[in-house]
Amino acid sequence: QKEVEQDPGPLSVPEGAIVSLNCTYSNSAFQYFMWYRQYSRKGPELLMYTYSSGNKEDGRFTAQVDKSSKYISLFIRDSQPSDSATYLCAMIASGGYNKLIFGAGTRLAVHP
Amino acid sequence: KAGVTQTPRYLIKTRGQQVTLSCSPISGHRSVSWYQQTPGQGLQFLFEYFSETQRNKGNFPGRFSGRQFSNSRSEMNVSTLELGDSALYLCASRGAGAHNEQFFGPGTRLTVL
Repeated sequence: QKEVEQDPGPLSVPEGAIVSLNCTYSNSAFQYFMWYRQYSRKGPELLMYTYSSGNKEDGRFTAQVDKSSKYISLFIRDSQPSDSATYLCAMIASGGYNKLIFGAGTRLAVHP
Repeated sequence: KAGVTQTPRYLIKTRGQQVTLSCSPISGHRSVSWYQQTPGQGLQFLFEYFSETQRNKGNFPGRFSGRQFSNSRSEMNVSTLELGDSALYLCASRGAGAHNEQFFGPGTRLTVL
């Protein structure tokens, strides 16, 4: 079993929809939670960063962390075709320095 | 501020050869991490360097090695290349501070024939 599970999709939604992306994890030592967006043939781009449990909002993006359930989410409001990309969740354990453990990534397609 | 740069962007090698990839972190960043991305295994951590010292290592064979220079630039080397080493190799840098925000470069796409 992988430490971080993420449904690879693909997920196809119409423009303007609310998108929900999720990851579950098994390692209770994970303390830092990130969402990256990766366009084809590009490096991952940091979207959201959250420390421990809670919510964080940045424009159309909201990240949620529920450590009691070992579950993290990313919500995208008013999705745009330019949001079409692969979304990767990533985590770092306490004491893990900068070792990111990634989910498999979810491919998202937003169609006009 | 310039981002993380990686050279070369593309490489084609044959089995048995060795390869060296280079990464220049964001100015002022002292931590550099390397990752391998493949369709089958996703993104996997290779190793991290901080102030010229390897601080953490992933589960890769000894054919994968790296180093960091005093200016924080880093190189990774893969010896005796295998077909399965074909991947996108990504470098990420991180600055000082409590929050572990890592910024990735565009990657080097290595193809082993």
